[in-house]
Amino acid sequence: GDSVTQMEGPVTLSEEAFLTINCTYTATGYPSLFWYVQYPGEGLQLLLKATKADDKGSNKGFEATYRKETTSFHLEKGSVQVSDSAVYFCALSDVGDTGRRALTFGSGTRLQVQP
Amino acid sequence: EPEVTQTPSHQVTQMGQEVILRCVPISNHLYFYWYRQILGQKVEFLVSFYNNEISEKSEIFDDQFSVERPDGSNFTLKIRSTKLEDSAMYFCASSGGTAPYEQYFGPGTRLTVT
Repeated sequence: GDSVTQMEGPVTLSEEAFLTINCTYTATGYPSLFWYVQYPGEGLQLLLKATKADDKGSNKGFEATYRKETTSFHLEKGSVQVSDSAVYFCALSDVGDTGRRALTFGSGTRLQVQP
Repeated sequence: EPEVTQTPSHQVTQMGQEVILRCVPISNHLYFYWYRQILGQKVEFLVSFYNNEISEKSEIFDDQFSVERPDGSNFTLKIRSTKLEDSAMYFCASSGGTAPYEQYFGPGTRLTVT
């Protein structure tokens, strides 16, 4: 079945540091890929998405590129802020191939940014 | 900006009791979902709902669970006889409109079964 693997956290960075959170996936077809963010005490917010190979999703300074050859969708940001401290979830859905809309999530990576 | 809302934010119940978790999806969305997150674990899919019927469900969604859209705005998850292991955060989501594959989540209901 489908699965998503994320790097273990927590990731602790100083403000303005470069961020990478690794995400790899296993899926039967060509899934759509997503990053969600969960700020403390809040629900999941869609951060960015990519629906086909080589697509780059971007939002709020975050980027991720759909790499079919490495089955990866790593999240990056050039300069993190304290306000980026949150848990980040990588997810996929096979809706394009199977019609199945259920999201499969990774285990989440907690990011802590220190001033 | 439209958003998914959920009530209550926290529900405490005794084992064996029935609970109903409520959600109001985004108004022009047609697909609705429930997910749960047991503390410290992954977010897991429970069920999706479209056109007044279940379109997909996971192994977790057994006979103890049911979903309903009782009117034009609410979407509910019922757990008939709660168990200790049902304690989790339950998230409602919806999708549709101009971005049909993007799911938007509510803030969650924390269910504590004692």
